[in-house]
Amino acid sequence: AQSVTQLDSQVPVFEEAPVELRCNYSSSVSVYLFWYVQYPNQGLQLLLKYLSGSTLVKGINGFEAEFNKSQTSFHLRKPSVHISDTAEYFCAVSGLRAAGNKLTFGGGTRVLVKP
Amino acid sequence: DVKVTQSSRYLVKRTGEKVFLECVQDMDHENMFWYRQDPGLGLRLIYFSYDVKMKEKGDIPEGYSVSREKKERFSLILESASTNQTSMYLCASSFGGGPNQPQHFGDGTRLSIL
Repeated sequence: AQSVTQLDSQVPVFEEAPVELRCNYSSSVSVYLFWYVQYPNQGLQLLLKYLSGSTLVKGINGFEAEFNKSQTSFHLRKPSVHISDTAEYFCAVSGLRAAGNKLTFGGGTRVLVKP
Repeated sequence: DVKVTQSSRYLVKRTGEKVFLECVQDMDHENMFWYRQDPGLGLRLIYFSYDVKMKEKGDIPEGYSVSREKKERFSLILESASTNQTSMYLCASSFGGGPNQPQHFGDGTRLSIL
């Protein structure tokens, strides 16, 4: 079975400051990793994904994440946030099942960017 | 762009009613999913379907059923609504190419059961 833990439920941050959102997963098999963002009153949008290759993955809106296999982590970072980054962020993992590509989500991290 | 459309943004129903939530996608995706989202719990998978008329239980299927008669449409059914089913419901779809395919989400239906 897979599980995903997002270590911070809420992260307040000032505009133009850096932010890091932590994500740890547990799985007995190789995984694919995703970060999604949910803006208020909307569904989830894909920010970035790690499938294989380089452990540093760049996504949309200036976000990046680093896959660390030994620590089973996939932390999300942005060097300088904007007010528009206020949203909830979800880390998710998918195992190697052939059909259905089920995702297991973390509990989410709510980011509040303050002016 | 992929469009996943959920029929209602807000819905209010009474306990014991049979409730239908509809989801339509326009990208010919093989896979479709229903999640519920609750604060602090993230998204939990209710049911998913990887082909027409095929369905599989997710992590919390109790009290729910699904129907997929056409490839583009996936319906979630609350057989007899209860107050603990008050939640945000999200539909998603993806290509069937394997677990590396990202999912595309609708805007959600906020369901209140009174």
